Amino acid sequence: EVQLVDSGGGLVQPGGSLRLSCAASGFTFSHYAKSWVRQAPGKGLEWVSTITGSGDSAYYADSMKGRFTVSSDSSKNTLYLQMNNLRAEDTAVYYCAKMDGTDGYRDVFNIWGQGTMVTVSS
Amino acid sequence: EIVMTQSPATLSVSPGERATLSCRASQSVSSNLAWYHQKPGQAPRLLIYGASTRASAFPARFSGSGSGTEFTLTISSLQSEDFAVYYCQQYNDWPLTFGGGTKVEI
Repeated sequence: EVQLVDSGGGLVQPGGSLRLSCAASGFTFSHYAKSWVRQAPGKGLEWVSTITGSGDSAYYADSMKGRFTVSSDSSKNTLYLQMNNLRAEDTAVYYCAKMDGTDGYRDVFNIWGQGTMVTVSS
Repeated sequence: EIVMTQSPATLSVSPGERATLSCRASQSVSSNLAWYHQKPGQAPRLLIYGASTRASAFPARFSGSGSGTEFTLTISSLQSEDFAVYYCQQYNDWPLTFGGGTKVEI
């Protein structure tokens, strides 16, 4: 069974940092692109970042560029999102998602993790 | 950035009725359009991709249509488990963008 388990969320002060993790199982990790999508409380979905299956390339939403870094470790079957200089508006549930192909281009989010809550507040 | 607009924001229907949800893109996305289904407190689930291909986990009462800039999700006969929020998403170009969602309620 394909499964994604998100973790690492919590309460952090504005300007602080947090690293999210997503443990994957049930598929060949390096064969598929993965993404992060977030959802602010009571709001809609917002794409954050996508990394290719090989980990060679990554794409970011403009509001996250320079603050967020996505990475993956195929030896641990784990996806990461390093978030720096966090702002109140980054408060959201963060979901990791597996995509259907290798490079993430013109691709859908076909499996989602359960999400992890990040709260940015003093 | 391609802006996705969904209508209506809320759709009130009764079990057994037909529901029609709309999604419009600010520029053509060809058929690179997906729909997701999300129940409260749960992660979204892929429902439709390629504008009209239904994911295997969902029954045939769900159908998608459209191409270019105008898309429709139809639920032919609403069941209790279909009351949820539905999001469209374009994956034709970066950045990937979602519509604001349509809440289907009783």
